[in-house]
Amino acid sequence: DIQMTQSPSSLSASVGDRVTIACRASQGIANYLAWYQQKPGKVPKLIIHSASALQSGVPSRFSGTGSGTDFTLTISSLQPDDVATYYCQKYNGAPRPFGQGTKVEIK
Amino acid sequence: EEQLVQSAAEVKKPGESLRIPCKASGFSITNYWMGWVRQMPGKGLEWMGIIYPVDSDTRYSPSFQGQVTISADKSIATVYLQWSSLRASDTAKYYCARGPDAFDLWGQGTMVTVSS
Repeated sequence: DIQMTQSPSSLSASVGDRVTIACRASQGIANYLAWYQQKPGKVPKLIIHSASALQSGVPSRFSGTGSGTDFTLTISSLQPDDVATYYCQKYNGAPRPFGQGTKVEIK
Repeated sequence: EEQLVQSAAEVKKPGESLRIPCKASGFSITNYWMGWVRQMPGKGLEWMGIIYPVDSDTRYSPSFQGQVTISADKSIATVYLQWSSLRASDTAKYYCARGPDAFDLWGQGTMVTVSS
């Protein structure tokens, strides 16, 4: 089965910084990659699908790139509201594992 | 409004059985794959499995195959997650979510606590 690995596991950055989170699939998954945001105590929320398509209502400071095995989530200008854990997930076929998560905090 | 409604919490003893529901409203579950996700306290998201309510075609994560049963009753727009014999290690929050691809709609989650 395909494994999803995220890095780093956590990061701390200042408001306004550019933040990048990586996700690697153990085998190629084309662009069947989603990113979710989970704020503390809240339900996960889909923010990007198809590796780079922004879900409706998600701020444009979020972007996704990649195809095959290597993917990136970028927050262009970190805001206090972005404090959360971010998860990638492959969604072609089954199983559809999540990455282990990246916790983003404000410095 | 499209929603997935889950019960807030269940408290059970080890060895007991449990079935938790997820009721859809505002859309037809027969148009989607529906899934379940586990989140143990303080931990990450774990994909458990998905079901296609039209024909009950079900796919499980190897980690959960044989440990739980996912089912659906399309007549009442409800999907279920079921255990025949709970363990303390099943203590977690369980989310239902809508496919067919990425999970774009999530329930609020059911906190299942298993303790003697």
